[in-house]
Amino acid sequence: DGGITQSPKYLFRKEGQNVTLSCEQNLNHDAMYWYRQDPGQGLRLIYYSQIVNDFQKGDIAEGYSVSREKKESFPLTVTSAQKNPTAFYLCASSIDGSNTEAFFGQGTRLTVV
Amino acid sequence: AQKITQTQPGMFVQEKEAVTLDCTYDTSDQSYGLFWYKQPSSGEMIFLIYQGSYDEQNATEGRYSLNFQKARKSANLVISASQLGDSAMYFCAMRGNTGGFKTIFGAGTRLFVKA
Repeated sequence: DGGITQSPKYLFRKEGQNVTLSCEQNLNHDAMYWYRQDPGQGLRLIYYSQIVNDFQKGDIAEGYSVSREKKESFPLTVTSAQKNPTAFYLCASSIDGSNTEAFFGQGTRLTVV
Repeated sequence: AQKITQTQPGMFVQEKEAVTLDCTYDTSDQSYGLFWYKQPSSGEMIFLIYQGSYDEQNATEGRYSLNFQKARKSANLVISASQLGDSAMYFCAMRGNTGGFKTIFGAGTRLFVKA
């Protein structure tokens, strides 16, 4: 079945360590997104990518990095520079254009201790 | 800059009644799309309904309808005949045709359906 897979579902890391969250899609979508969600809050855009080898910063990119070497994959690295990394991270993809909905993965809950 | 505003942090509705969730937006794009998503406590994001900026008729999908008032830049979600399973967070979102088609979300409204 087509969809977006995020792994792992839960992730624990020690403070100061970099951690990479995986996002894979087999929907043949050009655009992919990473969002951060804090408890009781909305989704804030971290990075997005319209096409392979190209990506743009969203509203809260500081302390994060991404790559888009393959159309199917858009991993997010939470670096030690991110001051408050504990959050729920959602990956999404969409056909490019303004008239199609984004499809979301199940999310990764990152806890930094 | 694009912006989505949802002014209702929480809403209560009696089962079987209708409820309207408010959403206003701001954009300089001429062409854009408006979306509503539902997020149950499990965290998954469920797409509900889409409205294009050039669509003349309000979108409907089953019990969901979108009250689109372009001049007022509002895109309210109407849920008819509320069910207990409708209790969730609801997010309004927008994607324009500039700035790389990025999709932005509002802060959300938590809906509680009472039996």
